[in-house]
Amino acid sequence: EDKVVQSPLSLVVHEGDTVTLNCSYEVTNFRSLLWYKQEKKAPTFLFMLTSSGIEKKSGRLSSILDKKELFSILNITATQTGDSAVYLCAVEVNSGGSNYKLTFGKGTLLTVNP
Amino acid sequence: ETGVTQTPRHLVMGMTNKKSLKCEQHLGHNAMYWYKQSAKKPLELMFVYNFKEQTENNSVPSRFSPECPNSSHLFLHLHTLQPEDSALYLCASSQTGTPAFGSGTRLTVV
Repeated sequence: EDKVVQSPLSLVVHEGDTVTLNCSYEVTNFRSLLWYKQEKKAPTFLFMLTSSGIEKKSGRLSSILDKKELFSILNITATQTGDSAVYLCAVEVNSGGSNYKLTFGKGTLLTVNP
Repeated sequence: ETGVTQTPRHLVMGMTNKKSLKCEQHLGHNAMYWYKQSAKKPLELMFVYNFKEQTENNSVPSRFSPECPNSSHLFLHLHTLQPEDSALYLCASSQTGTPAFGSGTRLTVV
């Protein structure tokens, strides 16, 4: 059974801090690893990672994948209160033919206090 | 706006009711998904449709019945639900890249 584990499950920091969120996985037929941010309802896409060691950056957020050790990290520098959200990690696998599916971790609830 | 629209946003139903959730995507995607998000649990995949054909049923109880009349529309028909079925139901669609999610339907079964 495919498994995605995120840690920590929750985190409280102050504005300006840097945080690192972790995601490890055990899956069959790995295709990609995705990070989403979920504030109220719809998860919004952050990053898609397919290759090891290549950092993806978007403003204060960055992420990297290690396919040998089967994990990814999401870094957020100089955190702001608007970064408060649940951060979801998902692994996309090939479920047969041209079909793909996502397996999600439980998420990390990040709270940034002023 | 993600291009995936779900209605209704909120739904309260009794255990003997029959209701339907609707999802519509205007992105030209060929795959559509239903996910369930319960408190303190990971997002759980329920059903996957590719080109209107169901390709995945993740051991979902028969009181949940999906329907995909075309590649742009997906329904989830609900009947005789249980209180533990209360959750956020998210629809998503994808082509070959990252899935886009709708805002979800918050379902409460009383």
